[in-house]
Amino acid sequence: DAGVTQSPTHLIKTRGQHVTLRCSPISGHKSVSWYQQVLGQGPQFIFQYYEKEERGRGNFPDRFSARQFPNYSSELNVNALLLGDSALYLCASSVNGDHGYTFGSGTRLTVV
Amino acid sequence: AQTVTQSQPEMSVQEAETVTLSCTYDTSESDYYLFWYKQPPSRQMILVIRQEAYKQQNATENRFSVNFQKAAKSFSLKISDSQLGDAAMYFCAYRRRGTSYGKLTFGQGTILTVHP
Repeated sequence: DAGVTQSPTHLIKTRGQHVTLRCSPISGHKSVSWYQQVLGQGPQFIFQYYEKEERGRGNFPDRFSARQFPNYSSELNVNALLLGDSALYLCASSVNGDHGYTFGSGTRLTVV
Repeated sequence: AQTVTQSQPEMSVQEAETVTLSCTYDTSESDYYLFWYKQPPSRQMILVIRQEAYKQQNATENRFSVNFQKAAKSFSLKISDSQLGDAAMYFCAYRRRGTSYGKLTFGQGTILTVHP
């Protein structure tokens, strides 16, 4: 079975640019969450989508947005990139979050 | 707001020995889940063990077990017969129960080194 897949795996962007990160959940998983993990810290919640609707938003600026498509895949968009946006971005999916979430390997974003 | 605290930035253990990683949390909820995740250098978060707060029995998964003290809001992970492959960053996480969705709140992590 395919796990949670994220693309790209690595990305280098310049300050002020825009970036789109993609996530494909495990088949049958309707919930997709996004987390930002700064080096040496725990992941911080950004967004959660369930059945294509936003169900939660973390304490991130409006430069961050996301959406979930009819096939339950998801995109995370970040506008006007700042150096501080450099991090590992993790996507997680679940059938029912009660049993935990399955994570992808993440996208390493570097802003220069 | 819920918070999760891991007070041990780093721990080390000899291969085949036992190590315990600590985690405390703060919540006003009575029904929730607690998780331990492992993150090796490959970056992927791997679920190690899960505990339901309404169950008094401590969860176990092979060499991994937890000591869940609900009143003390403590959730430690014990790794028995440590193996080199256990070396990773370990995160404790909390999730409120009651919906089919809901964010995970993570601690800061503990780096575990396993010495041969």
